[in-house]
Amino acid sequence: GDSVTQMEGPVTLSEEAFLTINCTYTATGYPSLFWYVQYPGEGLQLLLKATKADDKGSNKGFEATYRKETTSFHLEKGSVQVSDSAVYFCAQTDNAGGTSYGKLTFGQGTILTVHP
Amino acid sequence: KAGVTQTPRYLIKTRGQQVTLSCSPISGHRSVSWYQQTPGQGLQFLFEYFSETQRNKGNFPGRFSGRQFSNSRSEMNVSTLELGDSALYLCASSYPELGADTQYFGPGTRLTVL
Repeated sequence: GDSVTQMEGPVTLSEEAFLTINCTYTATGYPSLFWYVQYPGEGLQLLLKATKADDKGSNKGFEATYRKETTSFHLEKGSVQVSDSAVYFCAQTDNAGGTSYGKLTFGQGTILTVHP
Repeated sequence: KAGVTQTPRYLIKTRGQQVTLSCSPISGHRSVSWYQQTPGQGLQFLFEYFSETQRNKGNFPGRFSGRQFSNSRSEMNVSTLELGDSALYLCASSYPELGADTQYFGPGTRLTVL
């Protein structure tokens, strides 16, 4: 079945360091791919998305490129801030419809801690 | 536009009781999905409603049910609560008629079962 695998966490970085969180997916259809962020005590916030191969999603300095050949959607940021500390989730939905209606499949989440 | 709202934000129940959670989607969104988030299982899909019809359901027992009203507001119900039902319940809304599958999440309802 469809699945999303994220790199093991937690990830601890110093402020201004480069961030990469790996995400790979398996899907039978043509998924859209997402990164969501969750701050303590809150719901999920959409960070960025890509709907087809080679699309690049970007927001607030974060970027991810939809790579069909490697089935990946790695999240990157050139210079992290303390305020980026949160849990990051990679997710996919399948555009094939049918039993995929309204369903996101999530990775297990990666805890990011950024120190000053 | 106002975001997705969920009520209540926190609930404490005891085993065997039942609970109803409410979700109001973003204005104009007709699809509402529900998820359960636990430390052990992560985020798991419960079900999705569109135009008052359940179109998709995850692998949860029949104790978990839901419905959607004509104004797109949705409720989910859990009967005969078990300790393992303690979780953060998230709902999300989207506007799939435009082919837009992006889901926007509410803040969640934290359910604790004692």
